[in-house]
Amino acid sequence: EVQILETGGGLVKPGGSLRLSCATSGFNFNDYFMNWVRQAPGKGLEWVAQIRNKNYNYATYYAESLEGRVTISRDDSKSSVYLQVSSLRAEDTAIYYCTRSRYFDFWGPGTMVTVSS
Amino acid sequence: DIVMTQAPLSVSVTPGESASISCRSSKSLLHSNGITYVYWYLQKPGKSPQLLIYRMSNLASGVPDRFSGSGSETDFTLKISRVEAEDVGIYYCGQLLENPYTFGAGTKLELK
Repeated sequence: EVQILETGGGLVKPGGSLRLSCATSGFNFNDYFMNWVRQAPGKGLEWVAQIRNKNYNYATYYAESLEGRVTISRDDSKSSVYLQVSSLRAEDTAIYYCTRSRYFDFWGPGTMVTVSS
Repeated sequence: DIVMTQAPLSVSVTPGESASISCRSSKSLLHSNGITYVYWYLQKPGKSPQLLIYRMSNLASGVPDRFSGSGSETDFTLKISRVEAEDVGIYYCGQLLENPYTFGAGTKLELK
């Protein structure tokens, strides 16, 4: 059974940083692209970042609105993916979801990030 | 960026009836490989989104065959036959053709 679990969210002051983690199991993590997608309260879905697998040299892609403030990484030995977000702003307040593959075929329950003073 | 426009924003359906949701992209989602990179997701209340349809017309694993996807290069439709209570939620179309991947604003399906 595919399992995805995000952790690391919380309350952060504007200008602060956060590292989100996504632990997975139940599939061969090495084979898959992984993504982060976020959803502001009461709003729609916004793709944040993608990291490809070894076959694609772990290429990374970012939403332009966040580029320069986010870094996606992965550790295949731990079947985990990470999202480092810096210079946080109020508009970064959202649930951050970790999703599997280029289809976004499995989603974790998400981790809430609140940026507020 | 490719803009995805959904209609309607909300729909109210009698259980057992059918419902259709439209999605239009600002650019063709048909790749030269013949695949159309439009996807449909359902976010049930209080839950994370789940994949319903991939590559325009393919049913994701475990999704009832009451759901179907169709369309052209830029106009897409999700049809739900015989709507049930478990179908309530927000439906999103998304394009995974090119970065940045983008989604429609969502269509809220409610029961009458």
